[in-house]
Amino acid sequence: GIQVEQSPPDLILQEGANSTLRCNFSDSVNNLQWFHQNPWGQLINLFYIPSGTKQNGRLSATTVATERYSLLYISSSQTTDSGVYFCAVYNNNDMRFGAGTRLTVKP
Amino acid sequence: GAGVSQSPSNKVTEKGKDVELRCDPISGHTALYWYRQSLGQGLEFLIYFQGNSAPDKSGLPSDRFSAERTGGSVSTLTIQRTQQEDSAVYLCASSGDRGGELFFGEGSRLTVL
Repeated sequence: GIQVEQSPPDLILQEGANSTLRCNFSDSVNNLQWFHQNPWGQLINLFYIPSGTKQNGRLSATTVATERYSLLYISSSQTTDSGVYFCAVYNNNDMRFGAGTRLTVKP
Repeated sequence: GAGVSQSPSNKVTEKGKDVELRCDPISGHTALYWYRQSLGQGLEFLIYFQGNSAPDKSGLPSDRFSAERTGGSVSTLTIQRTQQEDSAVYLCASSGDRGGELFFGEGSRLTVL
């Protein structure tokens, strides 16, 4: 099945800093999503982005499907951005999640 | 419903007992997934339902685990003869179609004593 790799596995930032999270996948995909799992365990949809670029406030995402990667940008990070960021891809009836990037934003 | 609803939100049971976890997907969503997440870990795929097609059960860890989806809507995940290693958060998600945007419920936290 398709392989999904996220990097870095852990990231510690000072409040106000910017960051880039990466998701690489091993095959073509029909769908790609970014989720934020907050410290209470809730999975929150960030972007549904099989290709192209989207922005939502301080967050933006870019997927380059032909090169099999997606990037999530977080600007001016806040402590509430802390949690785990998951990338998930859909390919031929198979929905696969990466192992996640654990982000800690310090005040 | 407005979102994916799961019940119970918390379940504590004794080793060897059976448990049932319920998922009510977003109205009209044809695809439904169950995942399991152990503490500090990623999401482990369990089972996938798509419309009237046969479910993809390839992620079920043992024959103690089963799931059904009645009328293309509500799904129940059943764990028989629970073991301590079954302790985890069980997450349900639904989407409007194959590969459509996925929406998660808040999960059912299972603790097996």
